[in-house]
This record gives sequence, C-alpha cells and structure tokens, in this order.
Amino acid sequence: ETGVTQTPRHLVMGMTNKKSLKCEQHLGHNAMYWYKQSAKKPLELMFVYSLEERVENNSVPSRFSPECPNSSHLFLHLHTLQPEDSALYLCASSQAENEQFFGPGTRLTVL
Amino acid sequence: SQQGEEDPQALSIQEGENATMNCSYKTSINNLQWYRQNSGRGLVHLILIRSNEREKHSGRLRVTLDTSKKSSSLLITASRAADTASYFCATVPGSSYKLIFGSGTRLLVRP
Repeated sequence: ETGVTQTPRHLVMGMTNKKSLKCEQHLGHNAMYWYKQSAKKPLELMFVYSLEERVENNSVPSRFSPECPNSSHLFLHLHTLQPEDSALYLCASSQAENEQFFGPGTRLTVL
Repeated sequence: SQQGEEDPQALSIQEGENATMNCSYKTSINNLQWYRQNSGRGLVHLILIRSNEREKHSGRLRVTLDTSKKSSSLLITASRAADTASYFCATVPGSSYKLIFGSGTRLLVRP
C-alpha cells in the first residue's frame, strides 16, 4: 500500500454518462496529480494541484474536470467522454517536488 | 519530444544477471526519479537522485546521473524473476512539481 487510494478500480461508461474518479492520500502531502496512461504512450500528466490550487493543466479537454476540495482528496469528473479516453487513470501525491506516491489506478473503458 | 527517454525499450535477461537501463533527457532538471510498474498497476517509486548528486544506491539498485550528458542509468544487480516489470525514468524540471515520464523499459527476467 502506498498511502494513496483510488476508487473505483474499474469503470465502464457510455459516451453520454457522467462519472467521477476519486483519489485520497493519507500521507500529509501538499501536492496531488492526475495522470493518464494509454497503451504504447508515455504517462501523460493531466493536472497538478498544490495546496488545493490547480497549478498545471496540460491542455486537457474540458470533458475532464478536476476538483480538489482539500489537500487529501482529488476528484476527476468525467462527462461526454470519447472511446479514445479509455485508459488507466493514475492519481499521485507528493511533498513538493519530491518522489510521488501513486494509487493503483482506475481502468476506464468508454463504450 | 518527450523528456526522459529510456533505452532499451525492452530487455530480457536470465535470473541472476544484471540489468542496465538508460535514460536521456533534454532540459535542466531539479531531480530525476526512477519508478517501477507491474502490468496495469500503479507506479512505485524506486530512487530519486538530485541534480548535484552523481550516484545513489538502494539495495540492489544503483542509479547514476551525468548532468553534462543529460543522462541517467539504473542498474539492477543479481536480478530476480520478481523484478519483471516496466521501469520509467521521470524528470522534474526546474522548481516545478511536474514529473515528465519517458516511455519506459520493459524488463523480463527469465527464471
């Protein structure tokens, strides 16, 4: 266990659905991240939150909407996704620029 | 192109042999980190080496960093079948919190 949990672990959704991914860290870290991992592509950084403020948005489509209500929780709200959004979504946390601790990921399939 | 490119893309060795993976990057960095990922799961942090360090050890792992060549290597000594995984290097540019990942090296250790 890394101290970072993600739910759900697997999610299948249609293109018209709205769903949310949840991440929680129990490490007292001050930064949290969302990554997307697709087959045969490097891990892509999507969003960075530092002290609950979004400090990075890597040109992610608006159908992905992050939310960080406090330093321990991070959400990724999904709506009107496309099949190419199917991927493993990983959450991570860190203390500043130090090593990141990753959750187990949510395997998302968009039909 | 991506910061942090690993070489080789795939490596197959016999149990007991050493495995060496290389990583090259393009811009100045604060630190460089190595991660391991078992298939379809979250990443696990292995080692962080800062820009003013040249070598670091952790158990059977040895990481070197050459900032003049913008390269790093990860050596796993006396490999075991359980070391089979994908290994990624990731760089932290400047004072950013961003981790920029390479495409990874898939290591197979044959029993």
